[in-house]
Amino acid sequence: EDKVVQSPLSLVVHEGDTVTLNCSYEVTNFRSLLWYKQEKKAPTFLFMLTSSGIEKKSGRLSSILDKKELFSILNITATQTGDSAVYLCARMTTDSWGKFQFGAGTQVVVTP
Amino acid sequence: ETGVTQTPRHLVMGMTNKKSLKCEQHLGHNAMYWYKQSAKKPLELMFVYNFKEQTENNSVPSRFSPECPNSSHLFLHLHTLQPEDSALYLCASRRSGALETQYFGPGTRLLVL
Repeated sequence: EDKVVQSPLSLVVHEGDTVTLNCSYEVTNFRSLLWYKQEKKAPTFLFMLTSSGIEKKSGRLSSILDKKELFSILNITATQTGDSAVYLCARMTTDSWGKFQFGAGTQVVVTP
Repeated sequence: ETGVTQTPRHLVMGMTNKKSLKCEQHLGHNAMYWYKQSAKKPLELMFVYNFKEQTENNSVPSRFSPECPNSSHLFLHLHTLQPEDSALYLCASRRSGALETQYFGPGTRLLVL
């Protein structure tokens, strides 16, 4: 069964648009929820969310966690072509050594 | 650069070859991970080492053999691979037990012919 489900699988937007990506997760042994950006190489860390309802923000990117409904969203405002990437969501479990389970990712293409 | 390096960056091998992938981290971390990333599929955890001890083997076929001689180095030895093993192999490291992210290396793009 899928522990982490992302939607949509892909989307194409125009520069300047706002994008909302979704991630739902299984609650068993849940510790935190993470977002990464991957551009044909190593995933780079964006956010880690452990508390419900507290928005994390970095420039035009922001994310929030809903631990009641078991989902997170990642928002990108005023998109630029450099935002084109695969955005990965992962849940970290309570295993002491740190286990990460990833969703399939959302491919975002921003056109000029 | 994340402080995690992987070599080689690209590898083409036949099904009868033996090769090794290398990962090195310069971050002082004590947990290291191997992941497989195939097209259109989630990252698949393969192996985890904490303080040089293997703490997770995610039902990986024996044709993949990991080795962790110390907390800074991780190897993945490959032998008699199949074409479906072609993928991006990512290494990651982190501080074991901490509520922190992993840091990924750039990956090795493997093609098995």
